[in-house]
Amino acid sequence: DGGITQSPKYLFRKEGQNVTLSCEQNLNHDAMYWYRQDPGQGLRLIYYSQIVNDFQKGDIAEGYSVSREKKESFPLTVTSAQKNPTAFYLCASSIVGTGKAFFGQGTRLTVV
Amino acid sequence: SQQGEEDPQALSIQEGENATMNCSYKTSINNLQWYRQNSGRGLVHLILIRSNEREKHSGRLRVTLDTSKKSSSLLITASRAADTASYFCATDDEDTDKLIFGTGTRLQVFP
Repeated sequence: DGGITQSPKYLFRKEGQNVTLSCEQNLNHDAMYWYRQDPGQGLRLIYYSQIVNDFQKGDIAEGYSVSREKKESFPLTVTSAQKNPTAFYLCASSIVGTGKAFFGQGTRLTVV
Repeated sequence: SQQGEEDPQALSIQEGENATMNCSYKTSINNLQWYRQNSGRGLVHLILIRSNEREKHSGRLRVTLDTSKKSSSLLITASRAADTASYFCATDDEDTDKLIFGTGTRLQVFP
């Protein structure tokens, strides 16, 4: 089945540790996005990529890093520099220029 | 922040009633979309309206777009309990192709 997969669904990490969230898509989409969602809030854009080996910062990129070495994959690393990393993280992909995005089911990260 | 805003933040109605949600945005856009999110899940695309369109229908959904006011509305007619979810508008920025989401409206439909 075609789709976009995030893993893991739940992630627990100790404060000060880096953690990487996985996002894979087999939709042949060029564009991929990472969003952060806090309880009862909207989605805020962390990073986005429109082509392999290129990505741009979104509104809240500080404390996060990404890579786009393959079209199918757009992993997000939450670094120890992120002051408040506990949140729900959503990955999405789309065909550039169409706007319509397909979302993964999200990763809920809890830092203790 | 470029994030758009939606109102109301929360809306409670009875089954069979209509639900209207509004969205305002800040930049020039290629298109505007509406998404639905069930609690704790990913978002699902509902409908897209292009910047040169003023109104679009899809089943029980009706979307309007006013680019002069940078605003859109989503109407869900004859609501059902299964429509209970959060609804978000998203804009595809004309200059950057960023996909920017609004703050969302939480809709509760009572049986």
